[in-house]
Amino acid sequence: KQEVTQIPAALSVPEGENLVLNCSFTDSAIYNLQWFRQDPGKGLTSLLLIQSSQREQTSGRLNASLDKSSGRSTLYIAASQPGDSATYLCAVGAGSYQLTFGKGTKLSVIP
Amino acid sequence: DTAVSQTPKYLVTQMGNDKSIKCEQNLGHDTMYWYKQDSKKFLKIMFSYNNKELIINETVPNRFSPKSPDKAHLNLHINSLELGDSAVYFCASSQEGGYGAAQYFGPGTRLTVL
Repeated sequence: KQEVTQIPAALSVPEGENLVLNCSFTDSAIYNLQWFRQDPGKGLTSLLLIQSSQREQTSGRLNASLDKSSGRSTLYIAASQPGDSATYLCAVGAGSYQLTFGKGTKLSVIP
Repeated sequence: DTAVSQTPKYLVTQMGNDKSIKCEQNLGHDTMYWYKQDSKKFLKIMFSYNNKELIINETVPNRFSPKSPDKAHLNLHINSLELGDSAVYFCASSQEGGYGAAQYFGPGTRLTVL
């Protein structure tokens, strides 16, 4: 059974700092890995999708990497801004038709 | 334009009632999903439908019954609501479910059972 772990559970950084969020999964037989952002009381916004054959994906200040063999992914956020404050969720596509989610990292960027 | 929409956004009801949550996607996707986010914010798959056919039913009580009238809609009907059903329910869709295409989520429906 796939299990997804995100560390840390919460992170507080000053504005402008670069930061890394971590995600690990137990079963390396995955199709893809998707990073989402969830704002309080809101739905999920897809940030980046990495297919199992890819090593990384970039979108603006965000860069996600995937190391399937070690069961790890990282989400790098450059030059953090207060508007980046949210919960970041990692989800693994490891079987037909479903994502398995981690519990998220709650990020606070302090002005 | 809203890609994945859900109604209602909030639902407050008494134990024992029957309620429905509607979901529609205008992305032309083949696969739709229902997820439940509990009080600890943990998201878990409940159901998945591909081309109107049920693909996944993840140990969900049979009080929960999804209905897909067409590819663009996946509604969730809940009978005999219990306190433990209180959660946020998210609908999602993807182009190709089998090989892990990107999933797009609706805004969620916050269900409170009193």
